[in-house]
Amino acid sequence: NAGVTQTPKFRILKIGQSMTLQCAQDMNHNYMYWYRQDPGMGLKLIYYSVGAGITDKGEVPNGYNVSRSTTEDFPLRLELAAPSQTSVYFCASRGGQEIFYGYTFGSGTRLTVV
Amino acid sequence: DQQVKQNSPSLSVQEGRISILNCDYTNSMFDYFLWYKKYPAEGPTFLISISSIKDKNEDGRFTVFLNKSAKHLSLHIVPSQPGDSAVYFCAASAKYGGATNKLIFGTGTLLAVQP
Repeated sequence: NAGVTQTPKFRILKIGQSMTLQCAQDMNHNYMYWYRQDPGMGLKLIYYSVGAGITDKGEVPNGYNVSRSTTEDFPLRLELAAPSQTSVYFCASRGGQEIFYGYTFGSGTRLTVV
Repeated sequence: DQQVKQNSPSLSVQEGRISILNCDYTNSMFDYFLWYKKYPAEGPTFLISISSIKDKNEDGRFTVFLNKSAKHLSLHIVPSQPGDSAVYFCAASAKYGGATNKLIFGTGTLLAVQP
């Protein structure tokens, strides 16, 4: 049981380039989330999804897009990368159970924009 | 607007002693509070949680206490072990968009347990 898998683990982008961060879960979870963590800061919610075909913005969505065509996958798209998007990105998921049991996080993608 | 605050960036404790990590919040509508542990180059791992209708939850060496009147929660680790050395995030759950919960995270406390 792999849980939540994120690829790539590391990436360096040039300003203006685009890329997709991949996230896949094999737990049949309905809810999926994208967070970013900046140095010395907590995790900030970028986008979330409550099921296939349904996505919505979180606290810091500008510069990002998501899609959820299947239950398993929740890719995050960066268009026109900017230095402010240098961060560590975490994908997470949870099933229909109460929030009491928490989210399962992936191991993260460290992105540097130069 | 920092709704969940961890005011101690770091904490150092001797092995075998108690570690107490603190967290304050401002929103009285939070319904659950969670603690996550994070090692370098890994994702956060769920540790323990507490409902807002409880004041204590215990799981092995980990106990979380909630003081709603003070809007304060704490995580106690007894006894502390070197493997507990990690960053600990406090998180609070709030309804978002009317349909689902989202977690709001504090900035984390780096715990170092000295052998």
